[in-house]
Amino acid sequence: DQQVKQNSPSLSVQEGRISILNCDYTNSMFDYFLWYKKYPAEGPTFLISISSIKDKNEDGRFTVFLNKSAKHLSLHIVPSQPGDSAVYFCAASAPFGGNEKLTFGTGTRLTIIP
Amino acid sequence: GAGVSQTPSNKVTEKGKYVELRCDPISGHTALYWYRQSLGQGPEFLIYFQGTGAADDSGLPNDRFFAVRPEGSVSTLKIQRTERGDSAVYLCASSPRDGTYEQYFGPGTRLTVT
Repeated sequence: DQQVKQNSPSLSVQEGRISILNCDYTNSMFDYFLWYKKYPAEGPTFLISISSIKDKNEDGRFTVFLNKSAKHLSLHIVPSQPGDSAVYFCAASAPFGGNEKLTFGTGTRLTIIP
Repeated sequence: GAGVSQTPSNKVTEKGKYVELRCDPISGHTALYWYRQSLGQGPEFLIYFQGTGAADDSGLPNDRFFAVRPEGSVSTLKIQRTERGDSAVYLCASSPRDGTYEQYFGPGTRLTVT
């Protein structure tokens, strides 16, 4: 079963507008969440993370929101830039329980339209 | 500084052959992970090393897959009697285990079994 789900396989956003990528999870043991960005022929690059004790973490243009009760997180990118076009993966782990392996979603392909 | 490196970048092999995939983690990172990414999917966990020992190998699909990390740095993923279903991108990641939980990925090895 897919424990981390990204239900939108693709998303197109106008340059300068906000991009919102969504992720849902089912395993209540997950307590740390990460977003990775992937360009073709490269490995995933870490973007931003959030611990389950927080509901928001911000880093420059990137903000991650966590709603534990809904088992939902989202990544906001504002303003969106052409270089943000990539596949974005949501990942979860349970490091506080001693299990640091990452469980990934299937990814959302973000296209920024100039 | 140098990131995670993986060799070869591409490997084409015939069904039934043996292959070795190599990962050089970031210097000083004690934790090392192998993941496999099939087309249209997110990376899937295979095995996790803490130092020289495999702390979690629950993701290895069967006994044809084996990994080692004899000196606590470089790791080799070994696949015996390859099958066409083994075709995927094999990703390696490392992390410092310094209280942060981000993993840093290499570019991957694309394995094609013909």
